[in-house]
Amino acid sequence: QSMLTQSPSVSGAPGQTVIISCNGSRSNIGAGYDVHWYQQFPGAAPQLLIFGNNQRHAAVPDRFSGSRSGTTASLIITGLQVDDDAVYYCQSYDDSLDRSLVFGGGTRLTVL
Amino acid sequence: QFTLRESGPALVRPTQTLTLTCTFSGFSVGLDALCMSWIRQPPGKALEWLARIHWDGNIYYSPSLKTRLSMSKDASKTKAVLTVANVDPGDTATYYCAGSYGDCGRFDYWGQGTLVTVSS
Repeated sequence: QSMLTQSPSVSGAPGQTVIISCNGSRSNIGAGYDVHWYQQFPGAAPQLLIFGNNQRHAAVPDRFSGSRSGTTASLIITGLQVDDDAVYYCQSYDDSLDRSLVFGGGTRLTVL
Repeated sequence: QFTLRESGPALVRPTQTLTLTCTFSGFSVGLDALCMSWIRQPPGKALEWLARIHWDGNIYYSPSLKTRLSMSKDASKTKAVLTVANVDPGDTATYYCAGSYGDCGRFDYWGQGTLVTVSS
């Protein structure tokens, strides 16, 4: 059971906007810890996409953005492209687990 | 260019100890600010953080696996080693090493991963 909860799947058509949510608690996101987002294609290692809640990693298009509010973080993808079809994970610290690093369960984005 | 590469056995028998090595390069300045972690991913499942080492000495483990994990760095300071004791089929996963520079709470750089199967 992940300490960070994500919807298993989301879909959208090319050009649309999708929002992937990461729901936490007072011991992780709500404690003020930064949330980071990773993108993983089948058979490949994850790659850092967004760090520090809303900072894009090197070479990440500005179609990707992030936000954090209360105990929830969001990854927003605008102008969906077929190449965005992947699994997205959120990640943060958690105080209830001796400040362990925790991941969400991942959200599979399907671009129709 | 930062690179990380995992190495270790592809097959391990139940109850044995699994030893994985992460060899990295490109982190040439101020190694004391470097953090390396091990993360695993069972087939078709989510990522799970296992352990991290701050290159200035501190080591942290996932509470659920703490009694079975040991992470260290070797004398060359270009390798991070993870051992998992008493493995069982539930430890079958792709194991990744990942690193960051300055912020130990995230993973900027990832190795390609190595698949480990636990089976008799």
